[in-house]
Amino acid sequence: DQQVKQNSPSLSVQEGRISILNCDYTNSMFDYFLWYKKYPAEGPTFLISISSIKDKNEDGRFTVFLNKSAKHLSLHIVPSQPGDSAVYFCAASARENDMRFGAGTRLTVKP
Amino acid sequence: KAGVTQTPRYLIKTRGQQVTLSCSPISGHRSVSWYQQTPGQGLQFLFEYFSETQRNKGNFPGRFSGRQFSNSRSEMNVSTLELGDSALYLCASSLGTPPLHFGNGTRLTVT
Repeated sequence: DQQVKQNSPSLSVQEGRISILNCDYTNSMFDYFLWYKKYPAEGPTFLISISSIKDKNEDGRFTVFLNKSAKHLSLHIVPSQPGDSAVYFCAASARENDMRFGAGTRLTVKP
Repeated sequence: KAGVTQTPRYLIKTRGQQVTLSCSPISGHRSVSWYQQTPGQGLQFLFEYFSETQRNKGNFPGRFSGRQFSNSRSEMNVSTLELGDSALYLCASSLGTPPLHFGNGTRLTVT
């Protein structure tokens, strides 16, 4: 059951522009959301998170937005850099560490 | 602080065999989670152990099992291997709540 969906398998942006990665979820019990970044041959690394009591969280170039009514979250990267090229996974949790992931979006940032 | 260590990095097994994968969490982390990653499916949650007890479980058949030792190290076992079990198996540890910190995975190929 795909409770977390990333409908865009890939995204390509120009260096310096904004990258927007989207994620939808179906389980209204999810109360904590995370984004992970994955390079080939490495495990995912934690990027940024947001709890359901907030609608925005910023960390440097990365901002996560949460729209609970639409069950939608997005990750904004501004400005995008070539080193940001990776697969980005959205994840959601309803309790403890029972965390569900989306299928991932491959971001390519072109110089 | 050392990260999450998974061994072996690569495994090739034959259909019908069984396999055991190992995971050493970050020192001090009591929670270990296991995920299966296949192309297009993202990370599928297998199970989570906390203080030697299985705390959460995903929707995988009983051929997939795990355990956690008193030092928090964990093993995952897959019996009667099928071709569809070929995947990257990722282990992640945490203090008990998100975020999870992932290892680099074990690539299992079933022939």
